[in-house]
Amino acid sequence: GAGVSQSPSNKVTEKGKDVELRCDPISGHTALYWYRQRLGQGLEFLIYFQGNSAPDKSGLPSDRFSAERTGESVSTLTIQRTQQEDSAVYLCASSSDGQNTDTQYFGPGTRLTVL
Amino acid sequence: AQSVAQPEDQVNVAEGNPLTVKCTYSVSGNPYLFWYVQYPNRGLQFLLKYITGDNLVKGSYGFEAEFNKSQTSFHLKKPSALVSDSALYFCAVREKPGGSYIPTFGRGTSLIVHP
Repeated sequence: GAGVSQSPSNKVTEKGKDVELRCDPISGHTALYWYRQRLGQGLEFLIYFQGNSAPDKSGLPSDRFSAERTGESVSTLTIQRTQQEDSAVYLCASSSDGQNTDTQYFGPGTRLTVL
Repeated sequence: AQSVAQPEDQVNVAEGNPLTVKCTYSVSGNPYLFWYVQYPNRGLQFLLKYITGDNLVKGSYGFEAEFNKSQTSFHLKKPSALVSDSALYFCAVREKPGGSYIPTFGRGTSLIVHP
């Protein structure tokens, strides 16, 4: 079946511009996660959606970052007034119901380069 | 609080030799433990997980991992390495029910298998 998809796969933008990254989770998965992966680094948690509950935004690094999710489907991560330090790969993952035992399924990521 | 450590940034092994990628964890209670693999320019792929039961867990591509509660470790192993196993490996931990639904990932270990 279809896995997690993300678009665009690559995004180059100028400092100060806004960008929008999209994630399509696996159909039926209620839990959705966004992570940031800087070059040579591990995964940095950004935000977590579970069903209709209020999202866990504890990982968002600044108020320039925001994310939305429509029901249990598509999510968009928006970065306003991008800075060079925002350059990274942004990974999205979904899992069936967000329980502790769940396996996360990751998308291929969006590579963001801020010039 | 939960944390995970991968003490080696890089592991080098000759093809055909056994490999071990180390992971240690810290949780308040009992852990759920996961291993993921990331190939270049790809998202993370699930390899295996420990939830409960047998301490030796078998996963995809011939990998296995042993849960050792006394040493708080969950090392990834394979009896005979392949060049195609060369990739970035991530260990992740979640606490059992009552803990965070957001897993903590290690920094990753780069496995290089030489022909």
